[in-house]
Amino acid sequence: EVQLVQSGAEVKKPGESLRISCKASGYSFTSHSISWVRQMPGQGLEWLGRIDPVDSETNYRPSFEGHVTISVDTFVSTAYLKWSSLKASDTAIYYCARRRDISGYYGDWGQGTLVTV
Amino acid sequence: SYELTQPLSVSVALGQTAGITCGGNNIGSKNVHWYQQKPGQAPVLVIYRDSNRPSEIPERFSGSNSGDTATLTINRAQVEDEADFYCQVWDSSTVVFGGGTKLTVL
Repeated sequence: EVQLVQSGAEVKKPGESLRISCKASGYSFTSHSISWVRQMPGQGLEWLGRIDPVDSETNYRPSFEGHVTISVDTFVSTAYLKWSSLKASDTAIYYCARRRDISGYYGDWGQGTLVTV
Repeated sequence: SYELTQPLSVSVALGQTAGITCGGNNIGSKNVHWYQQKPGQAPVLVIYRDSNRPSEIPERFSGSNSGDTATLTINRAQVEDEADFYCQVWDSSTVVFGGGTKLTVL
């Protein structure tokens, strides 16, 4: 069974740094890219970016580039989303999701991590 | 940048058919995927590649895509189908989500 298990809720102050995680199991971690998706309170889904675990190649939505960093550790099958300086506007639920195939759909999602700044 | 347009809300009577549209420039040339999200839960894939349904999703969910509009259809709508629905495509190496549609079952 494929599972994406995310780290727990965080409460931070503006300017602080933060890294949240998404641990994958039940499949070959390097076979599928992982994306991060933001959902601000009462709002819709926004894609932040993705990473290919094979070579750590990343793509970011332009509006997020430079503000967040996506990385992976293949030894522990875990993807990360990091901020070096949080803003109040980063308050949201963040989901990781596994891309299933080249058509680009996400069949598996983490449970979400609530970040409050 | 590519944009996807969804109605903010759709209402359907219990047992009737609901259609949720997703508009985009020549969206018929893209693969469209649909997600259902209930309050406090992560999104769940309900349709992939325009019209394919994961095995765990009820048969009453179907999809189509042509021209500038993709449509998610829910036949014989049930109370448990109430949720937010999002369409999604890839464009220029980025993922685009529609704004989401709240489905209400009356």
